Amino acid sequence: AQKVTQAQTEISVVEKEDVTLDCVYETRDTTYYLFWYKQPPSGELVFLIRRNSFDEQNEISGRYSWNFQKSTSSFNFTITASQVVDSAVYFCALSEAGSSGANSKLTFGKGITLSVRP
Amino acid sequence: DVKVTQSSRYLVKRTGEKVFLECVQDMDHENMFWYRQDPGLGLRLIYFSYDVKMKEKGDIPEGYSVSREKKERFSLILESASTNQTSMYLCASSLSGVRYGYTFGSGTRLTVV
Repeated sequence: AQKVTQAQTEISVVEKEDVTLDCVYETRDTTYYLFWYKQPPSGELVFLIRRNSFDEQNEISGRYSWNFQKSTSSFNFTITASQVVDSAVYFCALSEAGSSGANSKLTFGKGITLSVRP
Repeated sequence: DVKVTQSSRYLVKRTGEKVFLECVQDMDHENMFWYRQDPGLGLRLIYFSYDVKMKEKGDIPEGYSVSREKKERFSLILESASTNQTSMYLCASSLSGVRYGYTFGSGTRLTVV
């Protein structure tokens, strides 16, 4: 069975610090997708990024970057120069490939609460 | 802007009441999901549906049922609300095919007193 572990539960940093959110996954499949979502205090989970298992290139989007390493089954998320608006709960999720519909179900980690203090 | 709409942002119900949580999506998505979110427990899947009139149990279906009579609407029903069902309820939808992530609603914070 697939599993996603976000070992950090709460992280608190001061504005402008860099912070890395860890995500470790388990799957027996060779084809899968990984996701990160952000849940601000308003409550709605917002999609941040998707990565498939065949694409190990790191991705950078502004202050956000993602490091995908199949060798360690990790998909870590780094925020550079954090800001107060980055305060949120961040979820990592895993989806395995397979027949359409039957496997379209994400497995979520328990989330990491990030607090960025001014 | 495409979205998932949950009918209530906050809801207070009494123990024993039958409660309906409504979710509507306007993206023509095949799949719809209901989760509850509790501190320290993350997101737990209650029920999901891959098509109209189809439903499958998630990890914690006890005490809940669902209805999907139309593609765009997925209702979560608490047959007899109890205080341990006080929680944040999140609805999500997605296209079929595992490459697609979910689009979430804003959530309904339900308090059962």
